Amino acid sequence: DGGITQSPKYLFRKEGQNVTLSCEQNLNHDAMYWYRQDPGQGLRLIYYSQIVNDFQKGDIAEGYSVSREKKESFPLTVTSAQKNPTAFYLCASSILPSGASGEQFFGPGTRLTVL
Amino acid sequence: SQQGEEDPQALSIQEGENATMNCSYKTSINNLQWYRQNSGRGLVHLILIRSNEREKHSGRLRVTLDTSKKSSSLLITASRAADTASYFCATDPNTGGFKTIFGAGTRLFVKA
Repeated sequence: DGGITQSPKYLFRKEGQNVTLSCEQNLNHDAMYWYRQDPGQGLRLIYYSQIVNDFQKGDIAEGYSVSREKKESFPLTVTSAQKNPTAFYLCASSILPSGASGEQFFGPGTRLTVL
Repeated sequence: SQQGEEDPQALSIQEGENATMNCSYKTSINNLQWYRQNSGRGLVHLILIRSNEREKHSGRLRVTLDTSKKSSSLLITASRAADTASYFCATDPNTGGFKTIFGAGTRLFVKA
């Protein structure tokens, strides 16, 4: 059963803590993405990766970090430097990088709340 | 500023009616996609239309693309209560980069 999974579904963080959001896909997709969605808003790109061991900053990368050590996995760390991290985080993957007409497949999302 | 902007921001219709949502964008594109999002869930891809296409159909969905006006529309015919969701247009700019840009979405509410 192919797909893209995110965990946890809900995450609570105290101010000053780093937290890591998990994203795993078994679709054999090369490209993976992290987006942030705020209430009533569209998606804003945080980081994306076209291939293992390579990733690029998106529009709002400050306060976030990622790694791509395996094709299947693209974890996102929300650091204490991110001043307003409360949001809904979506991970996606595509066969080809965007710009090459790649439909994106999304995970179910992680809702992060800072206490 | 965002590449794609949807209009209207919100739409409320009765079951059985048609729903039309519009999207405008600013730069040249390779393709335009429409996605659906149920509340609190991830996005689901609905349809992709390439820059050299003018119209595309998929079931009850009809998408048009006018590259001269930099606009697209999504028509859902014979709407159902289950169509209640947010709908987003997303563009792949023809700038040599690798980013899809999403609009803020149209929230559709279909009353049974």
